[in-house]
Amino acid sequence: DGGITQSPKYLFRKEGQNVTLSCEQNLNHDAMYWYRQDPGQGLRLIYYSQIVNDFQKGDIAEGYSVSREKKESFPLTVTSAQKNPTAFYLCASMDSGTGWRTNEKLFFGSGTQLSVL
Amino acid sequence: DAKTTQPNSMESNEEEPVHLPCNHSTISGTDYIHWYRQLPSQGPEYVIHGLTSNVNNRMASLAIAEDRKSSTLILHRATLRDAAVYYCILRGNSGSARQLTFGSGTQLTVLP
Repeated sequence: DGGITQSPKYLFRKEGQNVTLSCEQNLNHDAMYWYRQDPGQGLRLIYYSQIVNDFQKGDIAEGYSVSREKKESFPLTVTSAQKNPTAFYLCASMDSGTGWRTNEKLFFGSGTQLSVL
Repeated sequence: DAKTTQPNSMESNEEEPVHLPCNHSTISGTDYIHWYRQLPSQGPEYVIHGLTSNVNNRMASLAIAEDRKSSTLILHRATLRDAAVYYCILRGNSGSARQLTFGSGTQLTVLP
């Protein structure tokens, strides 16, 4: 079945440590997105990539980094510079990137809960 | 980008219809109205979208006001599994990924 896989489901970070969240999709989608969700809040955009080897900062990119070396993969690294990393992280994808259509659907993974030890 | 406004929370009894409102008074003529829902500890899932005409699918119906400044997501018979946060967003031609930011949505509680 086609879809988006996020791993791990739960992740713990020690102070000063970088951690990487995995996001893989087999939908052949061009665009991929990372969101952060705090308890009781909506989704805020961290980074997005509309095509391989290109990515853009979203609204809250500080303390995070990404890469897009393959179409299927868009890993997110939470660096030690992110002082409040505890949140639910969601990855999403959409068929078109730079040539998007206004009636397209976003597809989401099941999320990674990151906590600080 | 145009914004949407939704009530923070709503309650419904099981097996009764639910009408979830969304206001988008600054919508432009080419903006599509999309609805997603998020079950607890899950990622959001697509529900329905429309431009001008009312839309129906197996999950829900979308009623769009004639002036397009508001819309209503209709669940015809709420079940306990419909308890979720419902998000209304607008998608326009600008191609800006910032259109894909979700506000806090409406938390729907379904009472047995």
